[in-house]
Amino acid sequence: DAKTTQPNSMESNEEEPVHLPCNHSTISGTDYIHWYRQLPSQGPEYVIHGLTSNVNNRMASLAIAEDRKSSTLILHRATLRDAAVYYCILRSTNAGKSTFGDGTTLTVKP
Amino acid sequence: ETGVTQTPRHLVMGMTNKKSLKCEQHLGHNAMYWYKQSAKKPLELMFVYSLEERVENNSVPSRFSPECPNSSHLFLHLHTLQPEDSALYLCASSQVDREETQYFGPGTRLLVL
Repeated sequence: DAKTTQPNSMESNEEEPVHLPCNHSTISGTDYIHWYRQLPSQGPEYVIHGLTSNVNNRMASLAIAEDRKSSTLILHRATLRDAAVYYCILRSTNAGKSTFGDGTTLTVKP
Repeated sequence: ETGVTQTPRHLVMGMTNKKSLKCEQHLGHNAMYWYKQSAKKPLELMFVYSLEERVENNSVPSRFSPECPNSSHLFLHLHTLQPEDSALYLCASSQVDREETQYFGPGTRLLVL
């Protein structure tokens, strides 16, 4: 299974942009890049996903490298409620095979 | 009610008890999942049901027994658990397609004494 690598932790100041990186050098052509986040005491929450092109939604933006071996989740203005563990995972047509890694713990400072 | 719900939210059981966790999804999805999340560990995929058939069993001990009676409901039957089975058990659902976005429930916090 293709794996992802993320930094263990990152810090941000409130109302500043945050760029969360993810490396996935063994990604296959059919793998979608998904981002989830898990707030304390809650289940994971879908954030965004993409295949090749950059994606924007109301929560975040996803920038995908041209070779697809890395991606970056962008929170345009971090708030205290964005403090969570952010997971980058790869999904193919057989989604049951994908795995969550350790994720990046984002701390947002007021 | 929308989304993915799980009951109970908290459960304490002895090692000789039998209990069941329930998950219900109101999203019209056709795949459902059980995950285990232990302290300081990544999410571990336990079981996957697609179109009500089990398609994944990641070497889970037989003391965990899943059941998927229809596409909206998923159960995890528990018996003779061990203290190390204490964890957050998460249910998720998705539509079986290329993009496979999963939606998670809030989880059941299980403590085995």
